[in-house]
Amino acid sequence: QVQLVQSGAEVKKPGASVKVSCKASGYTFASYDITWVRQAPGQGLEWMGWISAHSGYTNYAHNLQGRVTMTTDTSTTTAYMELRSLTSDDTAIYYCTRLKDYWGQGTLVTVSS
Amino acid sequence: QAVVTQEPSLTVSPGGTVTLTCGSSTGAVTSGHYPYWFQQKPGQAPRTLMYDTSNKQSWTPARFSGSLLGGKAALTLSGAQPEDEAEYSCSLSYSGAVVVFGGGTKLTVL
Repeated sequence: QVQLVQSGAEVKKPGASVKVSCKASGYTFASYDITWVRQAPGQGLEWMGWISAHSGYTNYAHNLQGRVTMTTDTSTTTAYMELRSLTSDDTAIYYCTRLKDYWGQGTLVTVSS
Repeated sequence: QAVVTQEPSLTVSPGGTVTLTCGSSTGAVTSGHYPYWFQQKPGQAPRTLMYDTSNKQSWTPARFSGSLLGGKAALTLSGAQPEDEAEYSCSLSYSGAVVVFGGGTKLTVL
């Protein structure tokens, strides 16, 4: 069965970086794009961007360009999302998803001094 | 950037019918926006109910249907059940590359 299993919760200080992983299984990894979505506490979903697991092509949300990098490792069927220069506004649950169907369980990233 | 609008909250009676809508600040929503609908219950990850306007996932109950209605994407729930109480979000794709989520609709079954 298809699964997207994300890394555990993180606590970071302002200005630091965080890298969230998303381990995919149960399907041909290169056949599906991975989208990253975040949700701040009590807020709606925010699209962060996507990466083609086949080519590595990325498309990032305009407001995150320059701070976010999405990558994949086809040898381990894992997708990664790195966010730099963190502020308290980046405190959120981060999800990886195939969008059309399966979602990861989410990773809580807390940014606090 | 485009803004996607949804009703903040709606209430439906058990067994009743309700339609949630998803509009775009850029104009009428078309199939080319590839509307998606997601359901999220407290403490859970979102779940994709509908993609490309009206295509259901295998886990989507038959009482949900998707359409284009009056220049918006619509999610209709016919025969609401208590377990349908949740937050529903839509997303629209722009130029096939950028996705924007709506703010979500809190649906109460009461």
